[in-house]
Amino acid sequence: GAGVSQTPSNKVTEKGKYVELRCDPISGHTALYWYRQSLGQGPEFLIYFQGTGAADDSGLPNDRFFAVRPEGSVSTLKIQRTERGDSAVYLCASSLGPSKGDTQYFGPGTRLTVL
Amino acid sequence: AQSVTQLDSQVPVFEEAPVELRCNYSSSVSVYLFWYVQYPNQGLQLLLKYLSGSTLVESINGFEAEFNKSQTSFHLRKPSVHISDTAEYFCAVSGESSASKIIFGSGTRLSIRP
Repeated sequence: GAGVSQTPSNKVTEKGKYVELRCDPISGHTALYWYRQSLGQGPEFLIYFQGTGAADDSGLPNDRFFAVRPEGSVSTLKIQRTERGDSAVYLCASSLGPSKGDTQYFGPGTRLTVL
Repeated sequence: AQSVTQLDSQVPVFEEAPVELRCNYSSSVSVYLFWYVQYPNQGLQLLLKYLSGSTLVESINGFEAEFNKSQTSFHLRKPSVHISDTAEYFCAVSGESSASKIIFGSGTRLSIRP
């Protein structure tokens, strides 16, 4: 079946602009996660949704970052007033449920470059 | 809070040689441990995980990892590597109280020489 998909695959923007990154999870998966991976680093947790609600947003770096999942499926990560330090690969993952140790399936990522 | 240390950023080995990728974690609570792999031009995928029970866990492609609570380690091993094992490997941990939040190490790049 189809895996997690993310669009766009690449996004180049200018400092100060607003961007939206989209994630389509695996059908039937109730849990959705966003991570950010900077060059040479492992993925860094940003936010976790269970259904439509953000169950844990402790990883969002500041209030310029916001994510939604209005219908409990597709999610959008929104970044306002982008800064050069926001440049990274943004990864989305989904899992069947919130059960402890549920396998998270990752998408290919969106590479964001802020000039 | 949990953290993960992968001391080796790169590990070069010859084909058919054994390999060990080291991972140490810190946590004050019970943990779940994972190894993820990222093959060239592909997304992250789960290789194996420890949740409870037997401390030795295996993957379908010959890797194994052993949970060692006293040494807070979860090293990944394979007795004989293949060219196709070339990838970046990430060790990760989550806590029992926040099982959905996975903390990743910085990764180890495994390069296999023929």
